[in-house]
Amino acid sequence: NAGVTQTPKFQVLKTGQSMTLQCAQDMNHEYMSWYRQDPGMGLRLIHYSVGAGITDQGEVPNGYNVSRSTTEDFPLRLLSAAPSQTSVYFCASTRDRDTVYEQYFGPGTRLTVT
Amino acid sequence: DAKTTQPTSMDCAEGRAANLPCNHSTISGNEYVYWYRQIHSQGPQYIIHGLKNNETNEMASLIITEDRKSSTLILPHATLRDTAVYYCIALHWSGGSNYKLTFGKGTLLTVNP
Repeated sequence: NAGVTQTPKFQVLKTGQSMTLQCAQDMNHEYMSWYRQDPGMGLRLIHYSVGAGITDQGEVPNGYNVSRSTTEDFPLRLLSAAPSQTSVYFCASTRDRDTVYEQYFGPGTRLTVT
Repeated sequence: DAKTTQPTSMDCAEGRAANLPCNHSTISGNEYVYWYRQIHSQGPQYIIHGLKNNETNEMASLIITEDRKSSTLILPHATLRDTAVYYCIALHWSGGSNYKLTFGKGTLLTVNP
């Protein structure tokens, strides 16, 4: 049981490039989310998904796309990278929607856009 | 979700209890109080949650005041590995419909040798 995995761990992009951050969980969780964390700030929700085929925007969705074709995977796509997207990105999944909002977070992807 | 207020930072001696306060004076009756923490460079980690009653698990205890306007997370015997940012969140549990978990800035707890 690997939990929540994220790839890559580090990435450097040039302005205008696109890329996909991968997130996978092997716990059969229905809910998955993407957050970004900037220095000195808390986490901000980008997008989330309540199940395969269903996604919704969080508080900072601009510049990002998501899809959820399977329960296990929830990739985050940067359409045209900008320096303002330099951040640490965390993917998370929830264990059980009928019990607690207990999220399992991945180790993060550290992205630098130059 | 109700707004929560936490001190920016706190210190604690190793082996002593760490008591982290959280104010949530506008909390509504169906909002739970959740605590997470984030150790440096790692993803956040769920600690504990509660609605009205005090709660305890293997990591910590949660004390919620009777009027539910504030709560305290207690780490009974803090270790150096408990140094982290601790987040208090008031969250409406909607029983499975669309959900969001929003973190604020939290409290940086530093456990000193």
